[in-house]
Amino acid sequence: EVQLVESGGGLVQPGGSLRLSCAASGFTFTTYAMNWVRQAPGKGLEWVSIISPSGSTTYYADSVKGRFTISRDNSKNTLYLQMDSLRAEDTAIYYCAKKRGTGQTGRDLDSWGQGTLVTVSS
Amino acid sequence: QSALTQPPSASGSPGQSVTISCTGTSSDVGAYNYVSWYQQHPGKAPKVMIYEVSQRPSGVPDRFSGSKSGNTASLTVSGLQAEDEADYYCSAYAGSNNFCVFGTGTKVTVL
Repeated sequence: EVQLVESGGGLVQPGGSLRLSCAASGFTFTTYAMNWVRQAPGKGLEWVSIISPSGSTTYYADSVKGRFTISRDNSKNTLYLQMDSLRAEDTAIYYCAKKRGTGQTGRDLDSWGQGTLVTVSS
Repeated sequence: QSALTQPPSASGSPGQSVTISCTGTSSDVGAYNYVSWYQQHPGKAPKVMIYEVSQRPSGVPDRFSGSKSGNTASLTVSGLQAEDEADYYCSAYAGSNNFCVFGTGTKVTVL
């Protein structure tokens, strides 16, 4: 059974930094691209970033480009999101999610963690 | 990349059908057959109900079906049940640097 467990959320001041982690199990982590998706309180879903299985290729939403960095440690089956220069509008639940299919197959997210809450406030 | 457009709400009585639309552009919904639908209950993580326009993952009831015409995709829930009451989000692939464009979300109420 696929399991994704996020951690690292909390309260941070505007301009501050935070690193989220997502521990993966139940599948061959090194084979799948991984994503971060966020949801502001009472709002809809917003895709944040994706990283290739090897970690060599990454993409970001325009709203976080230049401030957030996605990475992975395949030896630890763990996904990360380094968040710098945080703003109030980054307040959200952050979910890690696995892409369906390997290589060029699949464009949806077939497994999600339970999320970790990030609050940016002074 | 703008969010895909969904109606804010939809409703139906138990046993009835409800259809939710998802309108995008020729750069996302209309460009690829990679439209997905996610169900989210309050306080829970999203769950994929439909992928690649009309494919159902294992374990999803066949009451859920998807389709697409041009730049608009649709999710139909037939034989509504109480547990179908949730928020539903569509999503479309819009290229490598826009892996997931989500819809605005629709709250489905079972009357």
